[in-house]
Amino acid sequence: DAGVIQSPRHEVTEMGQEVTLRCKPISGHNSLFWYRQTMMRGLELLIYFNNNVPIDDSGMPEDRFSAKMPNASFSTLKIQPSEPRDSAVYFCASSLGSSLAGVNNNEQFFGPGTRLTVL
Amino acid sequence: AQKVTQAQTEISVVEKEDVTLDCVYETRDTTYYLFWYKQPPSGELVFLIRRNSFDEQNEISGRYSWNFQKSTSSFNFTITASQVVDSAVYFCALAGRRALTFGSGTRLQVQP
Repeated sequence: DAGVIQSPRHEVTEMGQEVTLRCKPISGHNSLFWYRQTMMRGLELLIYFNNNVPIDDSGMPEDRFSAKMPNASFSTLKIQPSEPRDSAVYFCASSLGSSLAGVNNNEQFFGPGTRLTVL
Repeated sequence: AQKVTQAQTEISVVEKEDVTLDCVYETRDTTYYLFWYKQPPSGELVFLIRRNSFDEQNEISGRYSWNFQKSTSSFNFTITASQVVDSAVYFCALAGRRALTFGSGTRLQVQP
């Protein structure tokens, strides 16, 4: 199996530009997660989807961030307009959903991450 | 709310030493899951173990072992006879009503 695929692996952009990060989960997984990792804040959950539906987006920092999952094999995380403080590594992860209280408790498989630098 | 605390920011040991990474968690959920992930210098996150809140049995996998103590809300990770390849950042994480919350990580440096 190919694992979780993220693109691009590296992105350098200028402040104010739109950035789109892409993720292809492992085939058959029905939950998808977006995380952000920075030195200051560590690993933060931004949003997660179950069966293509956003379940918890309370971690999305502000309206400049949006995420979509149009189908089971693709998701995007968009930042518009981007700011230097958005510079981070963004991870996508997928898993098989659990029925326990609607919370996903199964092992998550992480992609390699996208390193975003906003100048 | 749920919270994971890894008080050890960085640990340095010499190869073949045993090392324990501490993890303390907070949650109001009666049912929850605890995880450990490894992040080597290459950057990817690698799953190591998952335990549910009803299973306090300790687990051993090769040189790795985990001690889950519900009474102290701890889920500590021990590496026996550490090796240079164990050098990485290790994250403890908790999933309850909310999906995974990570601790701040412990950077382990194993010197040859």
